[in-house]
Amino acid sequence: QVQLVESGGGVVQPGGSLRLSCVASGFIFRSYVMHWVRQAPGKGLEWVAFISHDGSNKYYADSVKGRFTISRDKSKSTLYLQMNSLRAEDTAVYYCARDHFCDFWGQGTLVTVSS
Amino acid sequence: DIQMTQSPSTLSASVGDRVTITCRASQSISSWLAWYQQKPGKAPKLLIYDASTLESGVPSRFSGSGSGTEFTLTISSLQPDDFATYYCQQYDSYSQTFGQGTKLEIK
Repeated sequence: QVQLVESGGGVVQPGGSLRLSCVASGFIFRSYVMHWVRQAPGKGLEWVAFISHDGSNKYYADSVKGRFTISRDKSKSTLYLQMNSLRAEDTAVYYCARDHFCDFWGQGTLVTVSS
Repeated sequence: DIQMTQSPSTLSASVGDRVTITCRASQSISSWLAWYQQKPGKAPKLLIYDASTLESGVPSRFSGSGSGTEFTLTISSLQPDDFATYYCQQYDSYSQTFGQGTKLEIK
């Protein structure tokens, strides 16, 4: 069955960095586009980043452009989100999701940016 | 960027009611729209994609319609399990956007 498992969340100080991972299984990872979506505590969903099936195209929300980098490793069936220059407003649960209309989601990993 | 506006923000209804949630796009997105259900502490669940296609395993009481800039999600007869928050999402552009959500509460 399709599974997406995120990891790498935690507490980080403002200005710090963190790398999230999303391990995919149960489907042909290299055939699907992938997304990162986040949800701040008590708030709605916010799309963060997109990567094409082969990694050649990447798009970002304006709120993270220049600070976050999405990437993927087909040999490890893993999606990544490198987050630099973190701010308090980046505090959220981060989900990875499959395909253009996000048919499968991971369970999420919590990132807290606080001093 | 394409903005998505959902209404209402909160909806109070009873078991057995028929309810409709509306989502408006700031520009035409053809039929590139999905609907999700989210319960507290859980990841969102896909209900409908391409505006009106029911995801496998989703009960037939859920339906979606619309194209261009106006879309609706209808639940024909509310069940206790349906009380949750619902989001629309456009995927017409690579910079995808979600609506702000509609919380469906028990009256």
